Amino acid sequence: GAVVSQHPSRVICKSGTSVKIECRSLDFQATTMFWYRQFPKQSLMLMATSNEGSKATYEQGVEKDKFLINHASLTLSTLTVASAHPEDSSFYICSARDAGAGTDTQYFGPGTRLTVL
Amino acid sequence: DQQVKQNSPSLSVQEGRISILNCDYTNSMFDYFLWYKKYPAEGPTFLISISSIKDKNEDGRFTVFLNKSAKHLSLHIVPSQPGDSAVYFCAASDSRNTGNQFYFGTGTSLTVIP
Repeated sequence: GAVVSQHPSRVICKSGTSVKIECRSLDFQATTMFWYRQFPKQSLMLMATSNEGSKATYEQGVEKDKFLINHASLTLSTLTVASAHPEDSSFYICSARDAGAGTDTQYFGPGTRLTVL
Repeated sequence: DQQVKQNSPSLSVQEGRISILNCDYTNSMFDYFLWYKKYPAEGPTFLISISSIKDKNEDGRFTVFLNKSAKHLSLHIVPSQPGDSAVYFCAASDSRNTGNQFYFGTGTSLTVIP
């Protein structure tokens, strides 16, 4: 079955540092990947849609200069939280759409817990 | 390999009837389970959860059943309404893992027919 991995699974950093989170589709090609942030009551907010080889599409209210997304290949998308601050502490989850599946199936990664001190 | 599986990609139910969405998992360490509902172009919204110390949790029209021995959980919606039409994801985690990673199924698209 299709698997999506995220690395790292958890990261603790000091305020002002940048953090990169990787999202990989392990056995399928993902032309589209999505980045979510978990909020209280555990709902996931869509932050941006990442398309391979083109610029990401950000949802309203998400700062593109702060949350930098790069979809460099069909199996890898990265989210960089630039100059992270404590309010950026959250759980970030990616999902990938299988280009070959012919459906709207999304495979979710296990998430990355970011704690900014 | 997928640790959480939803084997039915789609389900159609008549309005007023019961919708049953199924989810299977492989990791016996999972002890916390959630269901999310997702409309197109939106992020998944938390719906209901269940801890492994319970076998049933009910919230209004939504009930989640957990069968630990079978590593199976199900979401029952009764009565089903057209507004329930969405994609439903189940997710599982090992709450003892402080990273609190979630493992999601691939979703079941529910269509409630008026």
